[in-house]
Amino acid sequence: KNQVEQSPQSLIILEGKNCTLQCNYTVSPFSNLRWYKQDTGRGPVSLTIMTFSENTKSNGRYTATLDADTKQSSLHITASQLSDSASYICVVRIKAAGNKLTFGGGTRVLVKP
Amino acid sequence: DAGVIQSPRHEVTEMGQEVTLRCKPISGHDYLFWYRQTMMRGLELLIYFNNNVPIDDSGMPEDRFSAKMPNASFSTLKIQPSEPRDSAVYFCASSISGSTVNQPQHFGDGTRLSIL
Repeated sequence: KNQVEQSPQSLIILEGKNCTLQCNYTVSPFSNLRWYKQDTGRGPVSLTIMTFSENTKSNGRYTATLDADTKQSSLHITASQLSDSASYICVVRIKAAGNKLTFGGGTRVLVKP
Repeated sequence: DAGVIQSPRHEVTEMGQEVTLRCKPISGHDYLFWYRQTMMRGLELLIYFNNNVPIDDSGMPEDRFSAKMPNASFSTLKIQPSEPRDSAVYFCASSISGSTVNQPQHFGDGTRLSIL
């Protein structure tokens, strides 16, 4: 069973609308939780990095939240644009695991005009 | 600034052939990672280096895979002999250790490998 589960697997939204992606993790203890954006045919790009003591972090129209008690994180995209069409990957860094990251399976977002 | 550079971008070869993937990390970064991405398994860490020294190679699938980092600006991932199940996108990433553990990993655009 994957230690980082994301939902939904995919979603389609209309341009200008908001959406929220979910990430549940079981790894413990963790150093930080990251959200990456991966465009088709490109490598992942870091959006946010949060430590266990942070509740929220924003990067432009992207806002990540973290609840370390329930081991849940979400990524909210505001006023979606066509360029937001991509896969969004939730990643957890485990304490005492060096620099190893545990990746979720990703959520594929398609923004339609 | 130049990001992580990988070559080739695409590689198609026949089963049994040797495949060499190349990576140039971002200058000044002291960590280098090799990942494999497939539809079924997502992103998986194969091996990572710190200051050119392999730290953890537990993700390397089998002895057919090997990785080297002869200097701070170059790394290779070699598969010999290659098999069809090795077909995937291979990513290289680098990061800087800095004063905290909260440094992002910067990924290259990957090598799409197809083994026929």
